[in-house]
Amino acid sequence: GAVVSQHPSWVICKSGTSVKIECRSLDFQATTMFWYRQFPKQSLMLMATSNEGSKATYEQGVEKDKFLINHASLTLSTLTVTSAHPEDSSFYICSSDRVNEQFFGPGTRLTVL
Amino acid sequence: QKEVEQDPGPLSVPEGAIVSLNCTYSNSAFQYFMWYRQYSRKGPELLMYTYSSGNKEDGRFTAQVDKSSKYISLFIRDSQPSDSATYLCAMSGADSWGKLQFGAGTQVVVTP
Repeated sequence: GAVVSQHPSWVICKSGTSVKIECRSLDFQATTMFWYRQFPKQSLMLMATSNEGSKATYEQGVEKDKFLINHASLTLSTLTVTSAHPEDSSFYICSSDRVNEQFFGPGTRLTVL
Repeated sequence: QKEVEQDPGPLSVPEGAIVSLNCTYSNSAFQYFMWYRQYSRKGPELLMYTYSSGNKEDGRFTAQVDKSSKYISLFIRDSQPSDSATYLCAMSGADSWGKLQFGAGTQVVVTP
């Protein structure tokens, strides 16, 4: 099946710093990728849609200046959490679709101290 | 009211039993229905994908969609301890493909 990877798998950072998370499609080209966030014991919530070569579209309530998304190539989307705070600690997961099926990356666990 | 409702469980069954999971939804525009399995601290893994109403079978898994009742189900036959995980239903509309609405997830425990 299709493979979506993420890096890093786990990151700890200090409050106020920025963290970049990469999402790669390994065996297919992805013009669109999606970023989700999952808090402990909760389901996945869509944050934004990342579009190759254009601006991302954000879901209601998600701060676009805080969660910067860049989709510079057909295989890579990045999510940068700027000026991270402890409440941003969460599990961030990207996904992309191939032949009408959504495949998810393994997720990145962010802990902000 | 959430768009997708799913009982969080936990649901405990003995090995070999049938696991029955379900979700209800309120948005009649949903056309694509999926079931994912998620192990702790891992990304969701696609199990079943169904377009519109009907049944789909794949090995030990059977997915059912009843759009008239806005109700979807997943059945796991001959359950194994390795099936212990959280099962998430997800769905999207034809004009919002990829922007999935997830259920809360049901934690399943299969005991040996």
